[in-house]
Amino acid sequence: DSGVTQTPKHLITATGQRVTLRCSPRSGDLSVYWYQQSLDQGLQFLIHYYNGEERAKGNILERFSAQQFPDLHSELNLSSLELGDSALYFCASSDPPEVGGGNTIYFGEGSWLTVV
Amino acid sequence: GEDVEQSLFLSVREGDSSVINCTYTDSSSTYLYWYKQEPGAGLQLLTYIFSNMDMKQDQRLTVLLNKKDKHLSLRIADTQTGDSAIYFCAEPHEVEGNTPLVFGKGTRLSVIA
Repeated sequence: DSGVTQTPKHLITATGQRVTLRCSPRSGDLSVYWYQQSLDQGLQFLIHYYNGEERAKGNILERFSAQQFPDLHSELNLSSLELGDSALYFCASSDPPEVGGGNTIYFGEGSWLTVV
Repeated sequence: GEDVEQSLFLSVREGDSSVINCTYTDSSSTYLYWYKQEPGAGLQLLTYIFSNMDMKQDQRLTVLLNKKDKHLSLRIADTQTGDSAIYFCAEPHEVEGNTPLVFGKGTRLSVIA
């Protein structure tokens, strides 16, 4: 158990709909990352938040957005869903920079999204 | 641009050694990582190596780093069926601080009993 909690574990929804994925980072971690894993694209970085502020954006579509709240949990919002958005969405968190071991990232179990 | 490359498949017999290879792009990367993903599960950190090291050993795992060639390898000794999984190599997007990791596409290791 990495300590990163994601809900829901599985989600089936129709095209055009909107869903919200939720993530609680490990206790004390200020950084939250979202990744998308699909068969054809592999593991793609979407977005990074640090202590409530957006730090970096990866291959995140404009239909997707995220935020990190004052209690450090994060939500990934996916709207106008398409069949191709079906994937496993991971949340991850990492140690504060002052902790040794580089920037080790700990992953949650993921949220399986199926768009039908 | 960043691109971490790995071969996609590796098949070994139980008890043999497995060697999974990776090439990375950023010569300034301070740490390099290996993650393991078992079927239906999240990514689990296996090990990491600091860039000033050539080798790191952790029980059955040996990581070799060739900075000149930007080549990283993971050797699993006495491979077991429970080692069957996808193994990802990763490097930091930036040199310092909290930064996303860039992952390879993963090597699927199949262990034949």
